[in-house]
Amino acid sequence: GAVVSQHPSWVICKSGTSVKIECRSLDFQATTMFWYRQFPKQSLMLMATSNEGSKATYEQGVEKDKFLINHASLTLSTLTVTSAHPEDSSFYICSARVLGAGYNEQFFGPGTRLTVL
Amino acid sequence: AQRVTQPEKLLSVFKGAPVELKCNYSYSGSPELFWYVQYSRQRLQLLLRHISRESIKGFTADLNKGETSFHLKKPFAQEEDSAMYYCATPRGKTSYDKVIFGPGTSLSVIP
Repeated sequence: GAVVSQHPSWVICKSGTSVKIECRSLDFQATTMFWYRQFPKQSLMLMATSNEGSKATYEQGVEKDKFLINHASLTLSTLTVTSAHPEDSSFYICSARVLGAGYNEQFFGPGTRLTVL
Repeated sequence: AQRVTQPEKLLSVFKGAPVELKCNYSYSGSPELFWYVQYSRQRLQLLLRHISRESIKGFTADLNKGETSFHLKKPFAQEEDSAMYYCATPRGKTSYDKVIFGPGTSLSVIP
């Protein structure tokens, strides 16, 4: 099946620094990738939709200047948490939608746990 | 916009007992619905989608338009079924709209 990877799997950083998370579709091309945030024991909250070659679409309440998304190729999207603060600590999950699929199926990455000290 | 609800945060059943995880949706048309599962320390994965009417790992889900429900069922629960289960649907009316997830139900199968 389609595989999505994320790097790093976990990261600890100091408050005020920026952190970049990569999401890659390993064996397929994805015109659309999604970024989710998951707090402990809670559901996935969609943050933004990342489209290859165009600007990301952010959900209401998500700061686009805080969470920078770049989708430079059909296999890579990056999420940069700028000037991270402890409240940004969370589990960040990306997913990729299969190009040309006749239905809406997403494949999820393993997630990245961000801890901001 | 479509929405899904899962009324139970936690559900515990004994091994071998039937299990039903509830999901209700808010849409008057023909929704596209999914069940995703997240095992401990593993990534989220698709369990089944209603349009394919398939059975995965013994789980089935039937769309009930009268009750606007898409409950997930399995006749005999196994310990390896313990996981978080999320009901999901595209937020808009087209199947390519972004998928949103219900709050999830944590299933615990007691040996």
